[in-house]
Amino acid sequence: AQRVTQPEKLLSVFKGAPVELKCNYSYSGSPELFWYVQYSRQRLQLLLRHISRESIKGFTADLNKGETSFHLKKPFAQEEDSAMYYCALSPTGTASKLTFGTGTRLQVTL
Amino acid sequence: DVKVTQSSRYLVKRTGEKVFLECVQDMDHENMFWYRQDPGLGLRLIYFSYDVKMKEKGDIPEGYSVSREKKERFSLILESASTNQTSMYLCASSQQGGSYEQYFGPGTRLTVT
Repeated sequence: AQRVTQPEKLLSVFKGAPVELKCNYSYSGSPELFWYVQYSRQRLQLLLRHISRESIKGFTADLNKGETSFHLKKPFAQEEDSAMYYCALSPTGTASKLTFGTGTRLQVTL
Repeated sequence: DVKVTQSSRYLVKRTGEKVFLECVQDMDHENMFWYRQDPGLGLRLIYFSYDVKMKEKGDIPEGYSVSREKKERFSLILESASTNQTSMYLCASSQQGGSYEQYFGPGTRLTVT
């Protein structure tokens, strides 16, 4: 069975500092990886997916199959980045069924 | 704009009551999902449906059932609510396939007393 691990419950950084939210996964096949974000009083929404190789709101994430990681990075944190971030995995060909990590709360302070 | 709506934002029920949580999506999505969201546990899949009248158990189906009679509507049923089912319940929908985005509803905060 697949598993997603987010080791940090809370990550607190200063505005302008680099951000790295860690995500490790275990899955024997080729997974599809996602980052979802939930801002205060908003619904959960997709931030980015590894297959798109895109940068959203300055965030990037690279799938490292050797280290089975999909860490989320941003070079300069902004106050509006404060939110709950979830890493998620979908085994290929499983009707988009997602396994989520436990989430990391990012707190950006002045 | 994709819309996933849930029938209630807050619900308070008594132990032993039968509880219905409704979810409706307006994007003609094939897949629909029910999760519960608990602090420190993240989101856990209860049930999902990939077509009308089709359903599959997720990771924590015990104590829950679902119904999908129409493509746009997916209901979660707590046959006999218990206090350990107090949680935030999220509904989501997506197109068929492995890399399609899931669109989430606003959530229902259920308290069982």
